[in-house]
Amino acid sequence: EIVLTQSPDTLSLSPGERVTLSCRASQSVTNNYLAWYQQKPGQAPRLLIYGASSRVTGVPDRFSGSESDTDFTLTISRLEPEDFAVYYCQQYSTSPTFGQGTRLEIK
Amino acid sequence: QVQLVQSGAEVKKPGSSVKVSCKASGYVFRNYAISWVRQAPGQGLEWMGGINPLFNRREYAQKFQGRVTFTADESTSTAYLEMSSLKSEDTAVYFCARANAPAAIWNWFDPWGQGTLVTVSS
Repeated sequence: EIVLTQSPDTLSLSPGERVTLSCRASQSVTNNYLAWYQQKPGQAPRLLIYGASSRVTGVPDRFSGSESDTDFTLTISRLEPEDFAVYYCQQYSTSPTFGQGTRLEIK
Repeated sequence: QVQLVQSGAEVKKPGSSVKVSCKASGYVFRNYAISWVRQAPGQGLEWMGGINPLFNRREYAQKFQGRVTFTADESTSTAYLEMSSLKSEDTAVYFCARANAPAAIWNWFDPWGQGTLVTVSS
């Protein structure tokens, strides 16, 4: 099983700031089969990024994904009020697993 | 548009069973697998497994094997999750989600159903 470890667990930031969320895999993720989701309270997760860096249609371009070996990153270039939520990474290279999530809260 | 709509909340006794439905619309149901993901209160996401209607193939996460059954009814474009021998630790929101790769059991997941809260309590 591929274990995904996200860091940090919680981030407190202000609108307008830039943020980088990290997701580290315990082993290689074939073909960069990694996705990022946003989840707000009481809602289902929303797909943002797949293939480590491909943004879903309709997702603002302030969201971007990148990878370096087993380290994956989600960057939000300039936080908007609606971006404060929990973010999960998920690998689909093997039987799917999720990271534990990073909570992005308003400072 | 592609949409998954799940059945309503359930309250169950320990040791009983529950069946959750997930009705798909906006695409050819048999062409894409449906996965089930659960989220315990205040916790993260946990993949339970999935079903590919095209090949009638199922995959179960090891943790749930033997206690969970996935089925799919092509005539109504509906997938089902049935879980038996319920315990209090099974209290969670259960989501269905479409895997975005034809012929695969899993992939990235989009869209998701709205979730079904299953509460297990005596």
